[in-house]
Amino acid sequence: EVQLVESGGGLVQPGGSLRLSCAASEFPFSGYWMNWVRQAPGKGLQWVASIKQDGSDKYYVESVKGRFTISRDNAKNSLYLEMNSLRADDTALYYCVRGLSIGYDLFDSWGQGTLVTVSS
Amino acid sequence: DIQLTQSPSPLSASLGDRVTITCQASQDIHTSLNWYQQKPGKAPKLLIYDISNLHKGVPSRFSGSGSGTDFTLTIRNLQPDDVATYYCQQYDDLPLTFGGGTTVDLK
Repeated sequence: EVQLVESGGGLVQPGGSLRLSCAASEFPFSGYWMNWVRQAPGKGLQWVASIKQDGSDKYYVESVKGRFTISRDNAKNSLYLEMNSLRADDTALYYCVRGLSIGYDLFDSWGQGTLVTVSS
Repeated sequence: DIQLTQSPSPLSASLGDRVTITCQASQDIHTSLNWYQQKPGKAPKLLIYDISNLHKGVPSRFSGSGSGTDFTLTIRNLQPDDVATYYCQQYDDLPLTFGGGTTVDLK
């Protein structure tokens, strides 16, 4: 069974930075697109970013462009999200999500999420 | 951005009911539509992909249909385990977007 375990969330002040990690196991990590999807408390789902298998293609929702960076280390079976200039509206549960081998079309396996709270 | 509008929300139904959730896209998204189920306090799970294909392990009482801009998720014979929030999601164009969600509970 696919395992995705997020870490790195916490309380951070506005303008601060945080790095989220996702440890993947039980599947060939390097063969899949990977994604971050977030969910603000009591709200719906929002796609944040996607990265291709070799890291050559990366896509972001407009509201995080220039502030967030998605990356991966296939040797470590790990996905990352570097978050800078954090704002209150970035407060959310951040999910690490597996895509397809052919694209970011769907999200077929989800971690349990790591909570990011941006507050002074 | 492509907007996805779900209705109704919330939705109250009885055990054994047939439940229909609709998802309307702001433009033609062809067949690029998936559905997810999120139970309270849990991560979402993929339910249906490409409009009508059930993900592995999903009970056959779930079905999806539609095309273009109008899509439907149907649950036949509603069960207690189906109490959840359901989201549609499009991948026809970036940014990938989700509908606002439809919460299904029991009367």
